[in-house]
Amino acid sequence: KNQVEQSPQSLIILEGKNCTLQCNYTVSPFSNLRWYKQDTGRGPVSLTIMTFSENTKSNGRYTATLDADTKQSSLHITASQLSDSASYICVVSENAGNNRKLIWGLGTSLAVNP
Amino acid sequence: DGGITQSPKYLFRKEGQNVTLSCEQNLNHDAMYWYRQDPGQGLRLIYYSQIVNDFQKGDIAEGYSVSREKKESFPLTVTSAQKNPTAFYLCASSRASGRNTGELFFGEGSRLTVL
Repeated sequence: KNQVEQSPQSLIILEGKNCTLQCNYTVSPFSNLRWYKQDTGRGPVSLTIMTFSENTKSNGRYTATLDADTKQSSLHITASQLSDSASYICVVSENAGNNRKLIWGLGTSLAVNP
Repeated sequence: DGGITQSPKYLFRKEGQNVTLSCEQNLNHDAMYWYRQDPGQGLRLIYYSQIVNDFQKGDIAEGYSVSREKKESFPLTVTSAQKNPTAFYLCASSRASGRNTGELFFGEGSRLTVL
């Protein structure tokens, strides 16, 4: 069964600190892997999209890595800010060219405290 | 500014009533989607449309209906046949499907509560 598992389920860090969120998947065939940020009560916002040939991709203070061999991805947040408090969702596409086949993780809930 | 607008943001419904959620986009995207989000579960696809006048069932289409009469609009009707309609509903759009499918752009969501 195609699955996407994220860890930890929740995380609390102090403002200014770095953190890393993990995503393991068993989806096959694999097309691309995405990270979304979702503020409470709002729609998700795309952070990065990576295909199997990409090892790393950055978007400001967010850096995603992908190891297609081990089927693992991580999202690293540098110099966290209070506005980073949100749920971070890993999504894997199992079918090239079709958003119909997206497997969504449950997300990691991040709280950044002052 | 370009984006996706969902309305209403909050909606209360009595059991047995149908309700329609609006979704409008001005991104000129061909594809539009409806998702449902429940606590402890990943997003689940209800319906999607890749072109005007065409739509396909997603993973949990029972109790829902959609229409795609215009490129910009993709309304979702939650019918009385939906057993557990209380949820957070998200509309999204993307460019036409291709080898590297474009990212999804989401609206702000509509929270439906059945009383």
